[in-house]
Amino acid sequence: GAGVSQSPSNKVTEKGKDVELRCDPISGHTALYWYRQRLGQGLEFLIYFQGNSAPDKSGLPSDRFSAERTGESVSTLTIQRTQQEDSAVYLCASSLVGLAGLNSEQFFGPGTRLTVL
Amino acid sequence: KQEVTQIPAALSVPEGENLVLNCSFTDSAIYNLQWFRQDPGKGLTSLLLIQSSQREQTSGRLNASLDKSSGRSTLYIAASQPGDSATYLCAVGTSYGKLTFGQGTILTVHP
Repeated sequence: GAGVSQSPSNKVTEKGKDVELRCDPISGHTALYWYRQRLGQGLEFLIYFQGNSAPDKSGLPSDRFSAERTGESVSTLTIQRTQQEDSAVYLCASSLVGLAGLNSEQFFGPGTRLTVL
Repeated sequence: KQEVTQIPAALSVPEGENLVLNCSFTDSAIYNLQWFRQDPGKGLTSLLLIQSSQREQTSGRLNASLDKSSGRSTLYIAASQPGDSATYLCAVGTSYGKLTFGQGTILTVHP
């Protein structure tokens, strides 16, 4: 497809389990971002990738959260030992370039809704 | 720390009205500002991107302005339609293109 895709669309897990969320950016986009949106709250930045490197991980809430990107394409966000407070919609976005410029517009995927019981 | 505020939090208007959504930010050192709409249960749709060197952008019935020095942006929607009903989000881009979002304005356009 032409847009950003994410899988799964919904994930229900038990507290303490690990989960992996996947993002496929728009082909050719070098920059990739993860955000999360808790119920009734605004979007929070988690991490930014330029190529396969992550120069900005400042938004990751704890060391239970990690992310990687391979082949300057697919990214995986992993949450270990999930807690109920991790329940949120996790959104992925990509842009042609990551720095200020005409091609820095971010395009978002539909998100993964994570529910931790 | 950058903070983004959107006013009003909610707005209900009859079809056909022109309306203005407001966004303010505390740190004027931004690279760009992006307006999105979010429909229930769906992701974000990009509406307009304004670079820090620009004053406004237009797309169809939408016009967004940026006054970086005063930390303000407005989104103007002309001749509103029921299909415009959604949550509108303002986001400012800082280092590395990281976006800081406002809480959004919930817009309802009734026939």
